[in-house]
Amino acid sequence: DVKVTQSSRYLVKRTGEKVFLECVQDMDHENMFWYRQDPGLGLRLIYFSYDVKMKEKGDIPEGYSVSREKKERFSLILESASTNQTSMYLCASRQQGDNEKLFFGSGTQLSVL
Amino acid sequence: RKEVEQDPGPFNVPEGATVAFNCTYSNSASQSFFWYRQDCRKEPKLLMSVYSSGNEDGRFTAQLNRASQYISLLIRDSKLSDSATYLCVVLYNNNDMRFGAGTRLTVKP
Repeated sequence: DVKVTQSSRYLVKRTGEKVFLECVQDMDHENMFWYRQDPGLGLRLIYFSYDVKMKEKGDIPEGYSVSREKKERFSLILESASTNQTSMYLCASRQQGDNEKLFFGSGTQLSVL
Repeated sequence: RKEVEQDPGPFNVPEGATVAFNCTYSNSASQSFFWYRQDCRKEPKLLMSVYSSGNEDGRFTAQLNRASQYISLLIRDSKLSDSATYLCVVLYNNNDMRFGAGTRLTVKP
């Protein structure tokens, strides 16, 4: 079965810190995604990547950047964390051409104080 | 207006009940539709796709109405284990998946 692993389950950071959220998938999927999930708003796409070194902005990219140096790893970077970035962050991957199934990691609950 | 809208619930139903959720979407160019299930403090997982002709998977039935731009999920003979949040998902192009905020279901003994 596909495994999508996020490095931290819970993270507490201070305002202004640089934050790295790591995501690794083990099924050689081309497509990887970063979402944030907030109550009442559902999942919102931050960034996605079609392939290594490729990235596309989602709906809410402001304040975030991403890195995909290797196919299996997709990193989300908060350059200067702010309190409104407190959220649940979910990484997902999908096989190119398979629109049906998105595999999610278990999420990182980030609190910015 | 949100692109994908769901009644947030919560829906509280007894075991054995039939419950239905609706979801509306705003973009008529939507290609594909899905229901995902998310348990408390867990990640979303695909429950089922929604096909134009409607489809069934055991106690779950999904329907699509393109003219009215809504999809539905029907759960028959509810089990305690069906308690979860159900997310409506719409695919606009190969990589643009839009999620609803979810409908919370609690099945009680």
